[in-house]
Amino acid sequence: AQSVTQPDIHITVSEGASLELRCNYSYGATPYLFWYVQSPGQGLQLLLKYFSGDTLVQGIKGFEAEFKRSQSSFNLRKPSVHWSDAAEYFCAVGEGADGLTFGKGTHLIIQP
Amino acid sequence: DGGITQSPKYLFRKEGQNVTLSCEQNLNHDAMYWYRQDPGQGLRLIYYSQIVNDFQKGDIAEGYSVSREKKESFPLTVTSAQKNPTAFYLCASTPSYGSEAFFGQGTRLTVV
Repeated sequence: AQSVTQPDIHITVSEGASLELRCNYSYGATPYLFWYVQSPGQGLQLLLKYFSGDTLVQGIKGFEAEFKRSQSSFNLRKPSVHWSDAAEYFCAVGEGADGLTFGKGTHLIIQP
Repeated sequence: DGGITQSPKYLFRKEGQNVTLSCEQNLNHDAMYWYRQDPGQGLRLIYYSQIVNDFQKGDIAEGYSVSREKKESFPLTVTSAQKNPTAFYLCASTPSYGSEAFFGQGTRLTVV
């Protein structure tokens, strides 16, 4: 069965500092990988996705992620965070139409 | 604008009552999903439907029921058999195989 692990429940970063959120997955083949962001009380918004090809993918809001097959990882990065980036971030894996499997999320706190 | 509409945003239920959460999409997507979100648990799949008049159980279907009579609509009923229904419920849809999921804004259900 596929699974997603986000090892960091909470991460605190100073405004303007760089950010990396970790995601590891377990899947039988090359998966479709996603990063979503959620503001409190809201739905999820897609940041970026990886299906195939270039292992470094660019997303919205200045985010990027790198797929590393050898490490089964899909870490999310941003060079300089803004206070508005404070939110919950979810990594997800999936293939087909039977739904995505989500990690438990990482809560990002931005210090002024 | 195309999107997914969930209603109501907040819902209160007395113990022993059934309640129905609405999910409507005008994206012309074939597949629709219901997820439950609890703090620190990520999103867990309740039910999904890949085509009208057909649906499958997800990981936590006990105490829930769904219908898919129209492509645009996928209502979720939380029955009295669901022992701990207080949660945030998210509806999503996908356009095709392997595509990212598009989410509604969620319904927060509270048992009083």
